Amino acid sequence: EPEVTQTPSHQVTQMGQEVILRCVPISNHLYFYWYRQILGQKVEFLVSFYNNEISEKSEIFDDQFSVERPDGSNFTLKIRSTKLEDSAMYFCASIPTVSNTGELFFGEGSRLTVL
Amino acid sequence: AQSVTQLGSHVSVSEGALVLLRCNYSSSVPPYLFWYVQYPNQGLQLLLKYTSAATLVKGINGFEAEFKKSETSFHLTKPSAHMSDAAEYFCAVSSYNFNKFYFGSGTKLNVKP
Repeated sequence: EPEVTQTPSHQVTQMGQEVILRCVPISNHLYFYWYRQILGQKVEFLVSFYNNEISEKSEIFDDQFSVERPDGSNFTLKIRSTKLEDSAMYFCASIPTVSNTGELFFGEGSRLTVL
Repeated sequence: AQSVTQLGSHVSVSEGALVLLRCNYSSSVPPYLFWYVQYPNQGLQLLLKYTSAATLVKGINGFEAEFKKSETSFHLTKPSAHMSDAAEYFCAVSSYNFNKFYFGSGTKLNVKP
């Protein structure tokens, strides 16, 4: 069964360092998302991406964050200068073309620890 | 803006007992509603979804949920809890174009032997 894959599964970094989290969405999907979950808290929307541009972003997704789809398969989330409060589990998700189901397909997440 | 509220961050039931996890939504238009489950150290998996068809939705692992417009609720139930149901459950609502999903704060289900 097709699945969303994320790498790395766990990354530890120093505050102020740049981090890139990678995702390979399901191959025929066209809408991509990043969500994050700080330990013990709710899953929060960061950004949605369609047709090579951001569709919508939350207030969390400030200038320190960026996304791109560099090669037609990978979908990356970059944090330019990490802060302690960026420590969280980051989930990539995707859906096929706009349909009447809207089920999000999630990856298993990348745990980011900022020291 | 759309949102979901999950009452009870922790629910504990005995094995074999009824599971009831509550979710209320706030939406100005008929929503699309979802329940996701998260097992420890895993991503979120879809349990079931409501997309304006039948109001009683059956999902995987014996779970079901009923959409009640008058109560703006979408509570998740299972007649008989199993130890393997212990996980965190998230209710979610999507915008009409699926551009954004809003998740509740989650309910951790504990199943006692």
